[in-house]
Amino acid sequence: GAGVSQTPSNKVTEKGKYVELRCDPISGHTALYWYRQSLGQGPEFLIYFQGTGAADDSGLPNDRFFAVRPEGSVSTLKIQRTERGDSAVYLCASSPKVTSGSLETQYFGPGTRLLVL
Amino acid sequence: AQKITQTQPGMFVQEKEAVTLDCTYDTSDPSYGLFWYKQPSSGEMIFLIYQGSYDQQNATEGRYSLNFQKARKSANLVISASQLGDSAMYFCAMRARGSNYKLTFGKGTLLTVNP
Repeated sequence: GAGVSQTPSNKVTEKGKYVELRCDPISGHTALYWYRQSLGQGPEFLIYFQGTGAADDSGLPNDRFFAVRPEGSVSTLKIQRTERGDSAVYLCASSPKVTSGSLETQYFGPGTRLLVL
Repeated sequence: AQKITQTQPGMFVQEKEAVTLDCTYDTSDPSYGLFWYKQPSSGEMIFLIYQGSYDQQNATEGRYSLNFQKARKSANLVISASQLGDSAMYFCAMRARGSNYKLTFGKGTLLTVNP
């Protein structure tokens, strides 16, 4: 079946601009995660959705970052007033419903490479 | 808080030989899962293998096996019969129930398979 998809695959923008990054999870997966991967590092957690609500947004670096998942499927990560330090690969992952005691595998999309000039 | 340490920035192996990639972890949560992901130059994170903290046996998936030593808090990945296509970054990661299911990753190991 289809995996996690992310669009665009690459995004170049200017400092101060607004960007939206889209994630389409695996069909039927209710849990969705956003991570950010800087050059030479492992991915770092940003936000986790269970259904439509953000269950944990503790990884968002500041209030310029916001994510939504209005219908419990597709999610959009929004970055306002972009800064050069926001340049990174933004990865989305999904997993089946997370229940108490479960540690399901997260499946990742190909990522969006964001470059802020 | 959880922490993953991968001490090998780069590893080299000859084709058809076995290689071990090291991973140590730290957590105070008694229930956790350990994962290995492969990231080729294309950038996608590919799930390889999973080990639960209460699993009695080491996990195996084809040519991948996880050498889980709970007392030492290590979860090394063993790749047998290396292939040229195994050349990639490899990340060790963990999830703990108390961390709201988020993955914590190490910095990765770049594996190069030589012909």
